[in-house]
Amino acid sequence: GQQVMQIPQYQHVQEGEDFTTYCNSSTTLSNIQWYKQRPGGHPVFLIQLVKSGEVKKQKRLTFQFGEAKKNSSLHITATQTTDVGTYFCAGPNPFSGGYNKLIFGAGTRLAVHP
Amino acid sequence: GAGVSQTPSNKVTEKGKYVELRCDPISGHTALYWYRQSLGQGPEFLIYFQGTGAADDSGLPNDRFFAVRPEGSVSTLKIQRTERGDSAVYLCASSTTGGNQPQHFGDGTRLSIL
Repeated sequence: GQQVMQIPQYQHVQEGEDFTTYCNSSTTLSNIQWYKQRPGGHPVFLIQLVKSGEVKKQKRLTFQFGEAKKNSSLHITATQTTDVGTYFCAGPNPFSGGYNKLIFGAGTRLAVHP
Repeated sequence: GAGVSQTPSNKVTEKGKYVELRCDPISGHTALYWYRQSLGQGPEFLIYFQGTGAADDSGLPNDRFFAVRPEGSVSTLKIQRTERGDSAVYLCASSTTGGNQPQHFGDGTRLSIL
């Protein structure tokens, strides 16, 4: 079945350093979504990418969708302690009939040391 | 405005017991999803409702799991004859429609089977 893989599983950085997490799908995706889950919290939607090669920015966060629509990345510039959490990518199951049956990656847990 | 509400926040019960987990989605959201999240993993799809009907229950692990949404709003996930392996955080999410819309998650119910 469809798989979504993320690397790394865990990364710790010094505050101010950059951070990147990578997401790869075993199948071509119609779109990809990114969520952030703070420790003890629930996943919160960050962004959705739809077009091949799309790049979107949210302040210090840059999201990319690969040309083949099978991979994506999230880059955070100059991390802050508020960036701590687990970042998940998720793609819809291609056989889900047009609704959002999301397959989540295992996430990348980010720790930021002040 | 009010987000997705899940009750109880924590549930501890003995192996073999029956449990019900409740989800109150964002008002007006027609799509409702249940996920299960184990430690260190991403949310795993269980079931999707569009209105009152279960449009896709392919993620339910076995026939001990059942969910309803009788009036198209509140949903209840029911687990019979609980097993220790059912221990996890059960997350509910809703979205405006069943298409590629962002999903809004509740805080989850942490289920522990002793």
